[in-house]
Amino acid sequence: QQQVKQSPQSLIVQKGGISIINCAYENTAFDYFPWYQQFPGKGPALLIAIRPDVSEKKEGRFTISFNKSAKQFSLHIMDSQPGDSATYFCAGDNQGGSEKLVFGKGTKLTVNP
Amino acid sequence: EAQVTQNPRYLITVTGKKLTVTCSQNMNHEYMSWYRQDPGLGLRQIYYSMNVEVTDKGDVPEGYKVSRKEKRNFPLILESPSPNQTSLYFCASSSRTSGRRNEQFFGPGTRLTVL
Repeated sequence: QQQVKQSPQSLIVQKGGISIINCAYENTAFDYFPWYQQFPGKGPALLIAIRPDVSEKKEGRFTISFNKSAKQFSLHIMDSQPGDSATYFCAGDNQGGSEKLVFGKGTKLTVNP
Repeated sequence: EAQVTQNPRYLITVTGKKLTVTCSQNMNHEYMSWYRQDPGLGLRQIYYSMNVEVTDKGDVPEGYKVSRKEKRNFPLILESPSPNQTSLYFCASSSRTSGRRNEQFFGPGTRLTVL
């Protein structure tokens, strides 16, 4: 019940298009859902995060949509740019409880010019 | 500059030769963790530490040891490395506020090859 399932494994989008990455979780104790962005040769860095008391969070071109009843959440990247090309990880966390941040397996996004 | 540092960044070694990967953070964070990243498997937690002298196993602890004698340092020890420990390793740290863990900051990674 600790898993976070992420899809697709890889995604190719044209510049200006919308990139969508989906995640599903099983552990209802998760109370924090971050997305991390990782560029080649770098460590992951927090991109955007959401708590289950809201259905959507937007920061610039990046939006998280959250469906608590379906236990699913997704990252939308609007007007995708070549500089967005990176690997994206979703995660589930129980910040006040279990000390493990559980990651999805990652999505490699390529934005073609 | 607030950061998590790891050394070495790249290491090629042979089976059975003990090695240590160091991790240090300058943000006074209580929580530190080690992950390994493998293609198709994402990030998997090896060990974590909630504070000095407090450590616990993550999802894939076999073949690894850690220690937390100082708040800023969290070394990862491979007593007898094997080829299946060839991987990209990340150290991470985070603070805690009112008992809740905050955003994790990751180091730059250590690419380990065990021959």
